[in-house]
Amino acid sequence: DTGVSQDPRHKITKRGQNVTFRCDPISEHNRLYWYRQTLGQGPEFLTYFQNEAQLEKSRLLSDRFSAERPKGSFSTLEIQRTEQGDSAMYLCASSQRGGVGTAYNEQFFGPGTRLTVL
Amino acid sequence: GEDVEQSLFLSVREGDSSVINCTYTDSSSTYLYWYKQEPGAGLQLLTYIFSNMDMKQDQRLTVLLNKKDKHLSLRIADTQTGDSAIYFCAESIDDYKLSFGAGTTVTVRA
Repeated sequence: DTGVSQDPRHKITKRGQNVTFRCDPISEHNRLYWYRQTLGQGPEFLTYFQNEAQLEKSRLLSDRFSAERPKGSFSTLEIQRTEQGDSAMYLCASSQRGGVGTAYNEQFFGPGTRLTVL
Repeated sequence: GEDVEQSLFLSVREGDSSVINCTYTDSSSTYLYWYKQEPGAGLQLLTYIFSNMDMKQDQRLTVLLNKKDKHLSLRIADTQTGDSAIYFCAESIDDYKLSFGAGTTVTVRA
């Protein structure tokens, strides 16, 4: 396995358009995360899945954002009616969550999708 | 809320040691992490420390944790030009999400 992959790597769109990003996690990982990173800042948590269930959504994730992980494999993040403030790097990460008592949760990050909204 | 703070810039001469500092807020964090980000590349986990440890050493990297002061540091010995990057401190929150600092840009000069 070559790690977490994301597609596309770059996306330029006009304000008001919809965009969709894809993330393919490391195959045996049961958890998948989405983060957003703006210039000069660290990544900020958006949402995560355990298998196909979306278990947590940040207040940063407005109604225009939706994420899915059908069948617990790849995930998509869709942004509807994009705004200039959505311009950022969108990072996907995956991890294998162990059983009870296993708190260590190393997250492996993909290269990100850079979104520019004009 | 969670808030991780780091100094923004560090310039170091090649061969010297680098020390990057971080403060975090959530005393319940079980693990604290250091990630490295190079241009055009994803975040790479460098090392981590469990909250019941004071120190962890991994080759050129030494992590020190002061839980009382919620202070974490990363020391890179014999800093090389390939160490030039942005370094992020992160704490685990609620066993799933990571809360990152803004990152410290390390520039290694010859």
